[in-house]
Amino acid sequence: ETGVTQTPRHLVMGMTNKKSLKCEQHLGHNAMYWYKQSAKKPLELMFVYNFKEQTENNSVPSRFSPECPNSSHLFLHLHTLQPEDSALYLCASSQDQREGREQFFGPGTRLTVL
Amino acid sequence: DAKTTQPTSMDCAEGRAANLPCNHSTISGNEYVYWYRQIHSQGPQYIIHGLKNNETNEMASLIITEDRKSSTLILPHATLRDTAVYYCIVYSGGSNYKLTFGKGTLLTVNP
Repeated sequence: ETGVTQTPRHLVMGMTNKKSLKCEQHLGHNAMYWYKQSAKKPLELMFVYNFKEQTENNSVPSRFSPECPNSSHLFLHLHTLQPEDSALYLCASSQDQREGREQFFGPGTRLTVL
Repeated sequence: DAKTTQPTSMDCAEGRAANLPCNHSTISGNEYVYWYRQIHSQGPQYIIHGLKNNETNEMASLIITEDRKSSTLILPHATLRDTAVYYCIVYSGGSNYKLTFGKGTLLTVNP
C-alpha cells in the first residue's frame, strides 16, 4: 500500500466511449503524474501537475485530457481512443517536483481499447 | 540526461545476495542515482537513492564507485517476492526533474 489509489483497476472500452481514470493520494503531496506503460516498453511520462498546475505535457494526443481539481486528486479523461492506447496507466505523486523527490506509484489501471 | 546501462536479466537463489549492476559513465556531479523496482502488473516502487556515498536502508544497499560511473544495488537476502524488474535511473532534478525509466533488469529469484 503506497498511499496512492487508482480506480478502476481494469477498464475495457470501445473507441467511441468516454471514460475517466481516477487517482487519489493520501500522502499530502503536491505533485502528481500520469505515466503510460505499453507492453514490452518502458514507462512514458504523460503529464505532470505541481500544486494543481500542469507543468508538463509530453506531446500527448488530445484524446487524453488530464484534470487536477486539487492536490490530492488527478483524473485522466479518455475519449475516442485507439487500440494502440491499450496499456497500463500509472499515477504517481511526490512531495513536489524539486530535486531528489521520490515518487510513489499507484497500482495502475489496465486499459483495453477494442 | 545521463544514460544508464543494465543487464537485461539476472537470476539469484533465494536467501542469497542479489547484486544488480548499473553503468552511468556520463553522470554529472549533481545527478543522483535512483533505484526503483516493478513487480509484475504493479506500479514501480522506490527502493533507494544516492549521490556519492554508499547508502543503506531497510530494503537494500547502494554502492556507488568513487568515480560515480557505476553503481550496484544489493538485496542482501533475496526472497521470491523480490522477483521484479529493477530500474536504475539518473536524476538531476531542477529543470530536468523527470524520472526516465529504461528497460531495467528482470531479476528472477529462484527457490
